Amino acid sequence: GQNIDQPTEMTATEGAIVQINCTYQTSGFNGLFWYQQHAGEAPTFLSYNVLDGLEEKGRFSSFLSRSKGYSYLLLKELQMKDSASYLCAVLDSNYQLIWGAGTKLIIKP
Amino acid sequence: GAVVSQHPSRVICKSGTSVKIECRSLDFQATTMFWYRQFPKQSLMLMATSNEGSKATYEQGVEKDKFLINHASLTLSTLTVTSAHPEDSSFYICSAPGQGISEAFFGQGTRLTVV
Repeated sequence: GQNIDQPTEMTATEGAIVQINCTYQTSGFNGLFWYQQHAGEAPTFLSYNVLDGLEEKGRFSSFLSRSKGYSYLLLKELQMKDSASYLCAVLDSNYQLIWGAGTKLIIKP
Repeated sequence: GAVVSQHPSRVICKSGTSVKIECRSLDFQATTMFWYRQFPKQSLMLMATSNEGSKATYEQGVEKDKFLINHASLTLSTLTVTSAHPEDSSFYICSAPGQGISEAFFGQGTRLTVV
């Protein structure tokens, strides 16, 4: 079966750095997405990785290792507005998005 | 950027009634629209894929007679929840693919509460 695992909840301090991990087992791989979702709202695109390595975009970076079936989202200089759920999703061989359950990130002052 | 407009954002209905949710692509033509359902603290679950001018493709376990999908034009897809039941209460989101593989445009979502 297809499976995406990410921690249910994480807590971090304002101004700090946090890394949210995602491991996946899917039938085929055509890329991995990270989305941010605030409560009651639709997901917002953060990043897309299809090749191994680190992609940096401002305060957010995303890393992918296809051989390990592993990705992480790194958030630097955390702000209170970063409190949200972060969803990992993989595009499988049928180009269908398989979603993780999301990681709820709580930022404390 | 491309925008998908979803309405209503919130709806409360009585058990047994039907509710229609609309998703419109405002500045592009969406030949395909994905419909998701998300229960609290859970992942987005793909319910069905609607294609303009043809029948929708439903995921396993989703009742096609209960969740009616219509994609009559290149800019409008609708999901009708028929004979709504309290267990249908959920967050429903539509999404249209963009031109690139990494593009996906989401509607604002609809919070459905069936009482």
